[in-house]
Amino acid sequence: AQKVTQAQTEISVVEKEDVTLDCVYETRDTTYYLFWYKQPPSGELVFLIRRNSFDEQNEISGRYSWNFQKSTSSFNFTITASQVVDSAVYFCALSDLIKAAGNKLTFGGGTRVLVKP
Amino acid sequence: EAQVTQNPRYLITVTGKKLTVTCSQNMNHEYMSWYRQDPGLGLRQIYYSMNVEVTDKGDVPEGYKVSRKEKRNFPLILESPSPNQTSLYFCASSYGSQPYNEQFFGPGTRLTVL
Repeated sequence: AQKVTQAQTEISVVEKEDVTLDCVYETRDTTYYLFWYKQPPSGELVFLIRRNSFDEQNEISGRYSWNFQKSTSSFNFTITASQVVDSAVYFCALSDLIKAAGNKLTFGGGTRVLVKP
Repeated sequence: EAQVTQNPRYLITVTGKKLTVTCSQNMNHEYMSWYRQDPGLGLRQIYYSMNVEVTDKGDVPEGYKVSRKEKRNFPLILESPSPNQTSLYFCASSYGSQPYNEQFFGPGTRLTVL
């Protein structure tokens, strides 16, 4: 069965500090996709990144970067030089090729990030 | 504009009073699903639909019903709501049912059952 664990329930930082969010996943499939979503206080889900299991290259997008390590089943997310607008709940999610469930996303419990000015 | 819409966005109701949360997408997507979000548990899938008239249970289907009579609509029905169904609900859709198909989420419906 698939499982996603985000061990950090809440992280509080001061503006301009870096923050790293941990995500550990479990799946029996060799082909799968990993995602990060942001949920600001307004409540909607904002897609941040999708990474497939065959692409272990790290990715950087502005102040965001992702470290995918298949050997440790982790897909960690770092916000560099955090800003108040980064305050949100962040979800890591997994989707694999279990046919019966179609395009189901398995989410972690989320990490609440609070960036103080 | 390509989007998934949900109505209502906020709802307060009482135990046992049937309600329907509507979900509609304008992208001609085949796959649609419902999730509920609870603190510490993330989002969990309630029901999904591969296409018109094809629906199946997700991880937490108890107390819910769905239907898919048209491709664009996928309503979530609570026949007899109970307080443990107080949650934030999201509808999602994607072009196909493979994991590489990007999912589009609706804005969410916050439901409180008293």
